[in-house]
Amino acid sequence: NAGVTQTPKFQVLKTGQSMTLQCAQDMNHNSMYWYRQDPGMGLRLIYYSASEGTTDKGEVPNGYNVSRLNKREFSLRLESAAPSQTSVYFCASLEWGGNNEQFFGPGTRLTVL
Amino acid sequence: QQPVQSPQAVILREGEDAVINCSSSKALYSVHWYRQKHGEAPVFLMILLKGGEQKGHEKISASFNEKKQQSSLYLTASQLSYSGTYFCGTERGGYQKVTFGIGTKLQVIP
Repeated sequence: NAGVTQTPKFQVLKTGQSMTLQCAQDMNHNSMYWYRQDPGMGLRLIYYSASEGTTDKGEVPNGYNVSRLNKREFSLRLESAAPSQTSVYFCASLEWGGNNEQFFGPGTRLTVL
Repeated sequence: QQPVQSPQAVILREGEDAVINCSSSKALYSVHWYRQKHGEAPVFLMILLKGGEQKGHEKISASFNEKKQQSSLYLTASQLSYSGTYFCGTERGGYQKVTFGIGTKLQVIP
């Protein structure tokens, strides 16, 4: 039982490049989330998916797109990376009605030059 | 909308107690508490649901005042291992959208 996995762990991009951050969970959770963490800003919600086939914007969705590929996988795409998107990105999953514990992945450290 | 946490930072000596507060201007359905160590992912501590009871273990517990939309995390007889940043996350009910505050950095010193 791996929990929540994220790839890659580290990434350096140049301004304007695109990339997709991958996230998968093996706990059969319905809800999945993408957060970014910047110093002094806490965890800010980018997008979330309450269930397979649905996605909704969070607090800071601009510059990102997401895909809930299936129940296990939730990817985050940066179409044209900007230095302001330099951050640590965390994926999380949660099963409402059970223990209600939100499990976080190990994070992806992204630098945009 | 991010919940507001206070204090932003606190330093304790081992054995001392601390209270971290979390408040929202909107009606809440649930409050989640997490602790994050430097360079690691946040780790779940507990969740408080609207209409639920105060939660926690002997030394780390939390309460949820639904009328005031406030939650407090209580750490008693602090240990060095309690050091880290504590986040509260709030959810307004039915939407499964969990948003976090900016965190409270807690340092326990010998």
